[in-house]
Amino acid sequence: DAGITQSPRHKVTETGTPVTLRCHQTENHRYMYWYRQDPGHGLRLIHYSYGVKDTDKGEVSDGYSVSRSKTEDFLLTLESATSSQTSVYFCAISERQGDQPQHFGDGTRLSIL
Amino acid sequence: GESVGLHLPTLSVQEGDNSIINCAYSNSASDYFIWYKQESGKGPQFIIDIRSNMDKRQGQRVTVLLNKTVKHLSLQIAATQPGDSAVYFCADHPGGSQGNLIFGKGTKLSVKP
Repeated sequence: DAGITQSPRHKVTETGTPVTLRCHQTENHRYMYWYRQDPGHGLRLIHYSYGVKDTDKGEVSDGYSVSRSKTEDFLLTLESATSSQTSVYFCAISERQGDQPQHFGDGTRLSIL
Repeated sequence: GESVGLHLPTLSVQEGDNSIINCAYSNSASDYFIWYKQESGKGPQFIIDIRSNMDKRQGQRVTVLLNKTVKHLSLQIAATQPGDSAVYFCADHPGGSQGNLIFGKGTKLSVKP
């Protein structure tokens, strides 16, 4: 299995609070991604990174920010969490963009009350 | 997790039978396709991929077929086992040197012992 660790694995918080999810990889892959997974939808891309300090928006980026200060770490922040952001969040990594598999972590289940 | 399986098409097969899971894609320029398996509470796991210059690719107990004419992808699992029970979904790359994978919603495979 690809060395991807997501933390925390579960979190319950209240509307309006800030939340940061962490993704840590040991594969030295250039690309890292954050997705959310909701019933009735495929995985939807929130943000991705193509290098240290290099990030770009995905399909559903509103309300989320990211940072990548080291190759191995990619952080996802909800500045002021809303109930619509209740979801399962997955981090993924890949060596190149697009035409190769992405490898996923085991997810963070986030509930916002 | 469990919530991923809600609202999904379901395929139920008997242990030992072959399974066929289908996926349609919309972009005729897509040049790369992947199948993932997701077990309850875990992240998606890469199964097999295929590029658009191929029609068929085989792995261990799995075969992917690509029909570019009708933009259809299928995953065949031979001698299905209880451990194959999971949600399966496809992803495609829209082509070109950039662009991220687009993920389908998935099919839930249930294997009856």
